[in-house]
Amino acid sequence: EDQVTQSPEALRLQEGESSSLNCSYTVSGLRGLFWYRQDPGKGPEFLFTLYSAGEEKEKERLKATLTKKESFLHITAPKPEDSATYLCAVQARKYSGGGADGLTFGKGTHLIIQP
Amino acid sequence: NAGVTQTPKFRVLKTGQSMTLLCAQDMNHEYMYWYRQDPGMGLRLIHYSVGEGTTAKGEVPDGYNVSRLKKQNFLLGLESAAPSQTSVYFCASSYSPRMGVTQHFGDGTRLSIL
Repeated sequence: EDQVTQSPEALRLQEGESSSLNCSYTVSGLRGLFWYRQDPGKGPEFLFTLYSAGEEKEKERLKATLTKKESFLHITAPKPEDSATYLCAVQARKYSGGGADGLTFGKGTHLIIQP
Repeated sequence: NAGVTQTPKFRVLKTGQSMTLLCAQDMNHEYMYWYRQDPGMGLRLIHYSVGEGTTAKGEVPDGYNVSRLKKQNFLLGLESAAPSQTSVYFCASSYSPRMGVTQHFGDGTRLSIL
């Protein structure tokens, strides 16, 4: 069974204080690992897709990395507008729920950046 | 460019009532998905569709039915609502389910069953 575990569940940082969010996964053949951002009352907003171990992608203050067992979302010098819940999801080569390639999501990390 | 639009945004039902949630996408995507999001849990796949006229079960399909009569629309139905179906429902679409293709999400329907 595919599993995604995110840690910590919640994280409070001061503005400018860099940190990392973790996403550990077990999957029967990884097709892709996705990071989404979700604001209150909104749907998940796509950030990154990583396909293979060693891959890295950056966008503004965010950088996502991938190993064979986990992914990190590094946040450098965050601002209050970076406050959100960050979701990690994996797409397996064979979806354990049956059929097409739905995503298996973690529970998310709720990030608060204080001014 | 609207992307994925869900209606209604909020709804309160009584146990045993029925309703249909509508998802519409304007990106000409083949694949559409319905997820539910509950506190303390990740999003879970309910049903999905690989094209017009096709539907299939996901991880948590019981108590729901779906239809995809038009490519741009994906409907989620609750025939007899139960309190356990209180949740936030998200629709997503993608042009392909293949390797690493991004799923685009709507802003959700918040459903309460009393």
